[in-house]
Amino acid sequence: RKEVEQDPGPFNVPEGATVAFNCTYSNSASQSFFWYRQDCRKEPKLLMSVYSSGNEDGRFTAQLNRASQYISLLIRDSKLSDSATYLCVVKGRRAGGSYIPTFGRGTSLIVHP
Amino acid sequence: GAVVSQHPSWVICKSGTSVKIECRSLDFQATTMFWYRQFPKQSLMLMATSNEGSKATYEQGVEKDKFLINHASLTLSTLTVTSAHPEDSSFYICSASDLADSYNEQFFGPGTRLTVL
Repeated sequence: RKEVEQDPGPFNVPEGATVAFNCTYSNSASQSFFWYRQDCRKEPKLLMSVYSSGNEDGRFTAQLNRASQYISLLIRDSKLSDSATYLCVVKGRRAGGSYIPTFGRGTSLIVHP
Repeated sequence: GAVVSQHPSWVICKSGTSVKIECRSLDFQATTMFWYRQFPKQSLMLMATSNEGSKATYEQGVEKDKFLINHASLTLSTLTVTSAHPEDSSFYICSASDLADSYNEQFFGPGTRLTVL
């Protein structure tokens, strides 16, 4: 089983739609969680961190379920500019103290007019 | 946010040559930098963790003698692809963060696209 798994999609949705992505992780000792956005041929950029209590930033809501070991990202009122690949990132501590991030393969979102 | 630069942004080279990629944190000190490789439509794959003043930690399956990493200062890490072959063609990205806090954001460089002929 991969450490971090995501449905690669693509998710093809009309403007204004609500879309949700899930990401599962295998290491129960993982300590921090993030969603990154990556546009084609560009570097990833942080979208939001995911906290245990859940958090919201405008149209974006992230949730963490430690018992089931998954995180989710909900995008409301999709815009054309939301089209991108969304990467789930999970950090766990290694021997030596460093927090090492593991990336999922990403979920592709295409928002069409 | 913090800025991480990479140089060069793209490089085309002949098989058998070595290519050096630089990663710099421009406005903060990065005790640790990460090097990733990404093939088309694939996830970022962590290659190694670069620690200032010590040896890099390589992920399983990554040849340390082929991918030489040097982190000589708190703002610069270099990745050298030695004796490059066409299968090394990929998008190489570095990132930097302060690892004292697991929730600290990672800042990515813009990436280097390597094509080996």
